[in-house]
Amino acid sequence: DQQVKQNSPSLSVQEGRISILNCDYTNSMFDYFLWYKKYPAEGPTFLISISSIKDKNEDGRFTVFLNKSAKHLSLHIVPSQPGDSAVYFCAASARGGSEKLVFGKGTKLTVNP
Amino acid sequence: SQTIHQWPATLVQPVGSPLSLECTVEGTSNPNLYWYRQAAGRGLQLLFYSVGIGQISSEVPQNLSASRPQDRQFILSSKKLLLSDSGFYLCAWSVAGGNTIYFGEGSWLTVV
Repeated sequence: DQQVKQNSPSLSVQEGRISILNCDYTNSMFDYFLWYKKYPAEGPTFLISISSIKDKNEDGRFTVFLNKSAKHLSLHIVPSQPGDSAVYFCAASARGGSEKLVFGKGTKLTVNP
Repeated sequence: SQTIHQWPATLVQPVGSPLSLECTVEGTSNPNLYWYRQAAGRGLQLLFYSVGIGQISSEVPQNLSASRPQDRQFILSSKKLLLSDSGFYLCAWSVAGGNTIYFGEGSWLTVV
């Protein structure tokens, strides 16, 4: 049973446009959400996070939106750059315990010049 | 600042051979430590986590084991590798009780 779902395995956007990566979760106990970025043959790097007490968190070109009623979160990248091309993983945890961080399967973003 | 290193970066091992992947964290004390595996098309799967020396929790039954002989050292082992053990293995750490996990560079294991 997949508790964190990234239903789009891939996404292609034009440089300068907005990239929107989506993530759905099923466990209503999740209260902290993170996005990681991963290049091939490298470990994932932490990108941005959001607590369930917020519905938006912004860091430069990256914004994460959380819709608790829909159990949905999204990552917006504006403007998209070719260097953003990577696999993006959504992750969630319940009650603040990182040992129970659950990951989605990832979405491969390609930003075309 | 904190850093995490794991090695070897790549490994090709025959079926039935042993495995040892090592991970160390610097710049922090009493971290939580993790081993994840990324298999093709399956995302990141938590294999083991540890909240202290000698304390190991296993998330999935498997052919692998983990040990934490020192505070900032985490080792992934197997006595006899299977073909299905092939994958990209990631060590990670977090502050005890923290929400964010930080990953190492990863180790590619190919079992032939």
